[in-house]
Amino acid sequence: EAGVVQSPRYKIIEKKQPVAFWCNPISGHNTLYWYRQNLGQGPELLIRYENEEAVDDSQLPKDRFSAERLKGVDSTLKIQPAELGDSAVYLCASSLIQTGKYEQYFGPGTRLTVT
Amino acid sequence: GNSVTQMEGPVTLSEEAFLTINCTYTATGYPSLFWYVQYPGEGLQLLLKATKADDKGSNKGFEATYRKETTSFHLEKGSVQVSDSAVYFCACSNFGNEKLTFGTGTRLTIIP
Repeated sequence: EAGVVQSPRYKIIEKKQPVAFWCNPISGHNTLYWYRQNLGQGPELLIRYENEEAVDDSQLPKDRFSAERLKGVDSTLKIQPAELGDSAVYLCASSLIQTGKYEQYFGPGTRLTVT
Repeated sequence: GNSVTQMEGPVTLSEEAFLTINCTYTATGYPSLFWYVQYPGEGLQLLLKATKADDKGSNKGFEATYRKETTSFHLEKGSVQVSDSAVYFCACSNFGNEKLTFGTGTRLTIIP
C-alpha cells in the first residue's frame, strides 16, 4: 500500500512570494490533515478535512493561508504571500476511521524556507 | 484544549541501556495516546498507541502504559540499540479522527 505522498519535498522562496504544497493521501482514507512543524517543536494542526469538508480550520491563518480538497482525495495548501515566520515543515496526514483504529499516517513533509 | 508535556532532551544513552521518556497529558474526557518516532531524514511513524486506561501499547521492544490516575504515558525500552536513535513524540487525541496534540519531542541518541 502506497503511503501519503507530498510534493515538493523542499521549497525555497523569497518573502512575499506565493507557494503551494500538494498532498495525495492513502487510497480510501477519508480524513486528511495538514500540520505545520516548526524547528524543534511538535507538529500543530492547520486544517482537517472529512471528505471534501473542512471540519476544523480554527488554527489556519486565513489571511494568507488557504486549502482545498477537491473530490475528497488530493489536497493543496497555499500560502500567499509568504512571510519569514512561515519557514517550517508542512506535513500531510490521512486516516480511515474504523472501530478501534485511531491512526494517522504521515507523509514525508515539505520543508519550506522563506528568505 | 489538550496539551502534552514531554521529557526534555536531548537524551544520550549507551547501547543496551534502559530507556524511559516521560510524557504527561492534559485532556478532556478519555483521549487516545500515541508515541510517534521520526528517524533522521524520514517522516513521522506511529510507534505505538493506547486507547483506554490501563492499556499497554507495544512495538519493536518499546512499551507504554496508559495511566489515567497520573495522566501519563511514559515510553520505555529495556535495551536500546543504535538504530533507535531518533526523535520521539508523545501525542493525544480526543476522538478517533480529531487532531493530534503533540509534545515538543525528545531527541534520543544511542552510542555504541
